[in-house]
Amino acid sequence: GAGVSQSPSNKVTEKGKDVELRCDPISGHTALYWYRQSLGQGLEFLIYFQGNSAPDKSGLPSDRFSAERTGGSVSTLTIQRTQQEDSAVYLCASSLDGRSYEKLFFGSGTQLSVL
Amino acid sequence: DAKTTQPNSMESNEEEPVHLPCNHSTISGTDYIHWYRQLPSQGPEYVIHGLTSNVNNRMASLAIAEDRKSSTLILHRATLRDAAVYYCILNNAGNMLTFGGGTRLMVKP
Repeated sequence: GAGVSQSPSNKVTEKGKDVELRCDPISGHTALYWYRQSLGQGLEFLIYFQGNSAPDKSGLPSDRFSAERTGGSVSTLTIQRTQQEDSAVYLCASSLDGRSYEKLFFGSGTQLSVL
Repeated sequence: DAKTTQPNSMESNEEEPVHLPCNHSTISGTDYIHWYRQLPSQGPEYVIHGLTSNVNNRMASLAIAEDRKSSTLILHRATLRDAAVYYCILNNAGNMLTFGGGTRLMVKP
């Protein structure tokens, strides 16, 4: 696609429900990143994929959070038993090969609201 | 992980140059210095990056100190559309890019 696509753009859920957030990176990009941004705050790194592998999962806030990537393309971030503190904008980014001199391209994010 | 320090906010007048500083005293030799900016209700967008030498592109210039412990993003003529949060981050193929709080740039007409 032309850019990084995230869906849904907005998600309202009730406390305790599970949610799935989707990221479709730029075609051909092997590196994919998930970040979380709480209101008025900077970006908090969650997880990084190189291909389908996630070498470092230490950024995930708790075991309620999980992420997967299939076919080296689409990634899904799943939050189980959502809590109100999970409310934030979840941003996805991709880069060509994950090298340190490459640009990151960000999606517009998913605004998650947990009631 | 190497961290960066930026002022919380800065103000500029329209049409004037803006110098946004960033300190990264614990930078390692392989860290690239990246700048991104985030407009309201949007994801961050790439601005510029460099390793050791100063860099110029159509959006901005990046001045890197000789010891690489600090850098400055230069917007040559600020416009109202440049009002955003600017993030200075270090990218080391470890790929855990740490975004700090950034600098909120306000541009006055």
